[in-house]
Amino acid sequence: DVKVTQSSRYLVKRTGEKVFLECVQDMDHENMFWYRQDPGLGLRLIYFSYDVKMKEKGDIPEGYSVSREKKERFSLILESASTNQTSMYLCASSLWARTGVFTNYGYTFGSGTRLTVV
Amino acid sequence: AQKITQTQPGMFVQEKEAVTLDCTYDTSDPSYGLFWYKQPSSGEMIFLIYQGSYDQQNATEGRYSLNFQKARKSANLVISASQLGDSAMYFCAMRLRGSSNTGKLIFGQGTTLQVKP
Repeated sequence: DVKVTQSSRYLVKRTGEKVFLECVQDMDHENMFWYRQDPGLGLRLIYFSYDVKMKEKGDIPEGYSVSREKKERFSLILESASTNQTSMYLCASSLWARTGVFTNYGYTFGSGTRLTVV
Repeated sequence: AQKITQTQPGMFVQEKEAVTLDCTYDTSDPSYGLFWYKQPSSGEMIFLIYQGSYDQQNATEGRYSLNFQKARKSANLVISASQLGDSAMYFCAMRLRGSSNTGKLIFGQGTTLQVKP
C-alpha cells in the first residue's frame, strides 16, 4: 500500500526551539508539499518541492524552511518555534503533471503531526 | 484571485438520506482539477472524487458524485444514502498549474458533516 509517513503524530516543543518535521513517501513521487491545518482556515500551503533540492514558497512560508536532499524525504523546519505555529501539519506527495495529462495526480497525504508550542 | 470557498461550516443529515456539500471556486486558468477529500477524526485525508475542468460528465465514485457547474464555478459534493461512517470533515480543493507544472492544491475551509442515526 502506498504511503506518506510523518515521523511524529504528536509533538510538544518550547518557544524558540528549532523543530524538524519529517515526511517520507514510498511512491517515487516527484512533488512533495507541506500544509498546515487550522480550524476555519482549511489547509494552507507552506512550501512545496518538485525535485530534489528544489523548493518553492507556498502561501504562508514565514517562519519555516524546508529541505529535500533525497527524492523520498521532505523536511519542514521551524527555525525558532513560536506559539502561533501550534497547528496540525500535513505532508503530501503527488505525481508531476505531464502536459496534456489530466488525472487526479495521485495526491497522497500523511496522517499529520499535531504540534504544540508552549 | 484563485480561491476555494466552502460556506457551510457544519451540516447535519439523517442516516440514509442524501446530502450536498457546497463548494465554489475562482480561477482564470481554463485548466484545473477539483477534488474532494474526507478527513475523519483520526486526521488522515482520504481522496473521494476528482473532476477535471475539461471533463464532459460529472464524476461519480460509488455513493459520491460531483455536481460540476462550470459556468457557476461550483463543484458540490453529493453523498447519497448517508452512513454513520460519513461523519467527518470534508474539504474541497482545486489543483492549479504552477510555473514548474507542479500543480499545488488549494483548499477550502472545510465542512463538518454529522450523520444522525
